[in-house]
Amino acid sequence: AQSVTQPDIHITVSEGASLELRCNYSYGATPYLFWYVQSPGQGLQLLLKYFSGDTLVQGIKGFEAEFKRSQSSFNLRKPSVHWSDAAEYFCAVAPNTGGFKTIFGAGTRLFVKA
Amino acid sequence: SQTIHQWPATLVQPVGSPLSLECTVEGTSNPNLYWYRQAAGRGLQLLFYSIGIDQISSEVPQNLSASRPQDRQFILSSKKLLLSDSGFYLCAWSSLPPGSDTQYFGPGTRLTVL
Repeated sequence: AQSVTQPDIHITVSEGASLELRCNYSYGATPYLFWYVQSPGQGLQLLLKYFSGDTLVQGIKGFEAEFKRSQSSFNLRKPSVHWSDAAEYFCAVAPNTGGFKTIFGAGTRLFVKA
Repeated sequence: SQTIHQWPATLVQPVGSPLSLECTVEGTSNPNLYWYRQAAGRGLQLLFYSIGIDQISSEVPQNLSASRPQDRQFILSSKKLLLSDSGFYLCAWSSLPPGSDTQYFGPGTRLTVL
């Protein structure tokens, strides 16, 4: 069955420290991969996406993610976290053959301490 | 530019009462439209999607229904709310081709059923 796993329910990092949020997926083929961010009480905003090509993708707000086919992972990284990055982050996958069933992970809540 | 609106932003309803949540998209034509529910501490659950007027697909059995009376209007309804319907409801849209495209989310509606 298709699934997306975000192993960390919440993570706390100090401002200025580096960040890595983990995402693993289970899919029949290489899917399209996304990271979204949700601020409290708000909708989701796309950070970045991977469809094909270079496995290291750059997104908005200084985020990047690396697709590793052998590990079925798409981890999100940022070299230096800002207090405004505190939010919930969702990894998502969609079939690269078309279709509507984008599957979202359960999310990782990021806390940033001063 | 495209924008997506949802209202109301918050709603408190008694068990057994009806529900109507509205979503409208501006600045694009023939969008794919989606309703998601986000329960506390959980990821997004796709409830309905629509590829066109009066073309609605349901992903999970429930006491909710959706309608799309106009190209850029998507309505989520219920005749009788249950306690378990409480949650954060998100509307989203995407362009063709489906599945491979970024989804753009509205600000959400926080529904509390008492």
